[in-house]
Amino acid sequence: QKEVEQNSGPLSVPEGAIASLNCTYSDRGSQSFFWYRQYSGKSPELIMSIYSNGDKEDGRFTAQLNKASQYVSLLIRDSQPSDSATYLCAVRGTGFQKLVFGTGTRLLVSP
Amino acid sequence: DAGVIQSPRHEVTEMGQEVTLRCKPISGHDYLFWYRQTMMRGLELLIYFNNNVPIDDSGMPEDRFSAKMPNASFSTLKIQPSEPRDSAVYFCASSTGNQPQHFGDGTRLSIL
Repeated sequence: QKEVEQNSGPLSVPEGAIASLNCTYSDRGSQSFFWYRQYSGKSPELIMSIYSNGDKEDGRFTAQLNKASQYVSLLIRDSQPSDSATYLCAVRGTGFQKLVFGTGTRLLVSP
Repeated sequence: DAGVIQSPRHEVTEMGQEVTLRCKPISGHDYLFWYRQTMMRGLELLIYFNNNVPIDDSGMPEDRFSAKMPNASFSTLKIQPSEPRDSAVYFCASSTGNQPQHFGDGTRLSIL
């Protein structure tokens, strides 16, 4: 079993729709959760971090965490073609600084 | 503020040559990470340092790879001798405390 799992996609949504990206993790002791966006040929860019159960909103982005279900998601409202990228879920365990990354979900937003 | 700075951006070299990748972390960050990204394996952690000391090098693929951090503002990742299967994008990232990691622009390495 992979430590952090994501559907590789591509996830295709029309412009203006809500894109929902999901991630599950295996380490119950995980404490910190991050979403990075990576455009083709570019480096990962942090877009959201979440540390406690519930929702965290930042502009068009909402991160959702459910530790009991070991599940973290990212919602993108009013999706734009510029949101087309690969979204990487990253998880950090207790007492460790290193992140474990999922393989990423490719999102395609069509005009 | 300057982000993580990596050099070179691109490196093309022949098999068997020594390759040195360089990284300058964000000032004040006490953790530095080296990653490798390929289509097949995704983003893999190779090694990370805390206060210039290597903490976990379990991701270093083999003895041909070595990393150093002589001071808080500079780290190198060396491959000697290089092989075609080392071709990948190598990222450096830095962080402090419980803050997220910030990535450099990466070095795209091609071994012919």
